[in-house]
Amino acid sequence: KNEVEQSPQNLTAQEGEFITINCSYSVGISALHWLQQHPGGGIVSLFMLSSGKKKHGRLIATINIQEKHSSLHITASHPRDSAVYICAVAEETSGSRLTFGEGTQLTVNP
Amino acid sequence: GAVVSQHPSRVICKSGTSVKIECRSLDFQATTMFWYRQFPKQSLMLMATSNEGSKATYEQGVEKDKFLINHASLTLSTLTVTSAHPEDSSFYICSGAAKGYGYTFGSGTRLTVV
Repeated sequence: KNEVEQSPQNLTAQEGEFITINCSYSVGISALHWLQQHPGGGIVSLFMLSSGKKKHGRLIATINIQEKHSSLHITASHPRDSAVYICAVAEETSGSRLTFGEGTQLTVNP
Repeated sequence: GAVVSQHPSRVICKSGTSVKIECRSLDFQATTMFWYRQFPKQSLMLMATSNEGSKATYEQGVEKDKFLINHASLTLSTLTVTSAHPEDSSFYICSGAAKGYGYTFGSGTRLTVV
């Protein structure tokens, strides 16, 4: 069992739909990150969370430390949101090292 | 904001040759640089962690003599794939970390060994 699990693995949506990607982890963490990887491979850091909720534009990330669960929401999805979304955690005991989920491939169709 | 510039973005090399990949942190000083490898449809796999001025710490199963990492300054880290073989073909990506800056990823290097 992976320490970081994401669901779903693949997600196809129509433009305008509300999207949720989930991440569960089994270790104590100091922070959780949501990353976006585009087809070319480059990775962009979307959020770093240690508690509560953060919002940036159409993206919202929440975390529940007690339940060891985080969600990434995309409102009014657009084809340009198509990418792989990766959840990564910084474990309490491993310093700054990140443990990654397998990623969620999101495709938004026009 | 913080940027990590990674070069080259793509490289094709002959089997047996060496390839150097550079990551430069711009507008911040990366005290730690992480080097990852990613196979198609898989997540990132940490290869090694390097701190400026000290030897890199390699993950289990990663050959330190094959994947040479140098982190000579707070703004430059390099990964050299020595005597490359086709099985080394992969996507390599670096990530710089510094207090107050979180993690900043490079744009990646797609290595093809023929």
